[in-house]
Amino acid sequence: EVQLVESGGGLVQPGGSLRLSCAASGFTFSSYSMNWVRQAPGKGLEWVSYISSSSTTIYYADSVKGRFTISRDNAKNSLYLQMNSLRAEDTAVYYCARDVSGRPWSAVDYWGQGTLVTVSS
Amino acid sequence: DIQMTQSPSSLSAFVGDRVTITCRASQDISNYLAWFQQKPGKAPKSMIYDASSLQSGVPSKFSGSGSGTEFTLTISSLQPEDFATYYCQQYKSYPLSFGGGTKVEIK
Repeated sequence: EVQLVESGGGLVQPGGSLRLSCAASGFTFSSYSMNWVRQAPGKGLEWVSYISSSSTTIYYADSVKGRFTISRDNAKNSLYLQMNSLRAEDTAVYYCARDVSGRPWSAVDYWGQGTLVTVSS
Repeated sequence: DIQMTQSPSSLSAFVGDRVTITCRASQDISNYLAWFQQKPGKAPKSMIYDASSLQSGVPSKFSGSGSGTEFTLTISSLQPEDFATYYCQQYKSYPLSFGGGTKVEIK
């Protein structure tokens, strides 16, 4: 069974940093691309970042470019999102989501349960 | 960047109704279109990919169609468990983008 479990969310002050993790199990993690998608309270879904299976291709939303860094450790079956210079508008539930393949331009098939990040003083 | 527009933003329907949701892309995305279902307080669930292919385990009452810039999600006979918010998403080019969502409520 495919499982994606996010962790690392919490309350952080504006300008602060946070590192999210997503632990994957039930599939060969190194064969699949991964994404981070977020959802602000009461709002719709917003794609944040993409990383290919071998980390050779990475994309970011303009809203986080230069502040967030996506990475993965295939040996640890883990996906990460380093978030710096956090703003109030980054407050959201952050989901990790698996693509159906290891290459870009693929659909998402599985989602984690999400972790809440709150940026507030 | 590609903009995705869903309509309606919300709808009310009876159990047993046939429901159709529309998603429009600001430019040609071929069939690089997915649909997701989200219930309150839960993670999204993947329903359809490549515009018309059902994800594993999704019942056949859900169907998707379209290509290019106009797409539809149809639920053939609405059941209580189908009341949720539905999102479309394009994966033709990065940044990926979602529609604003369609909330399906009980009438």
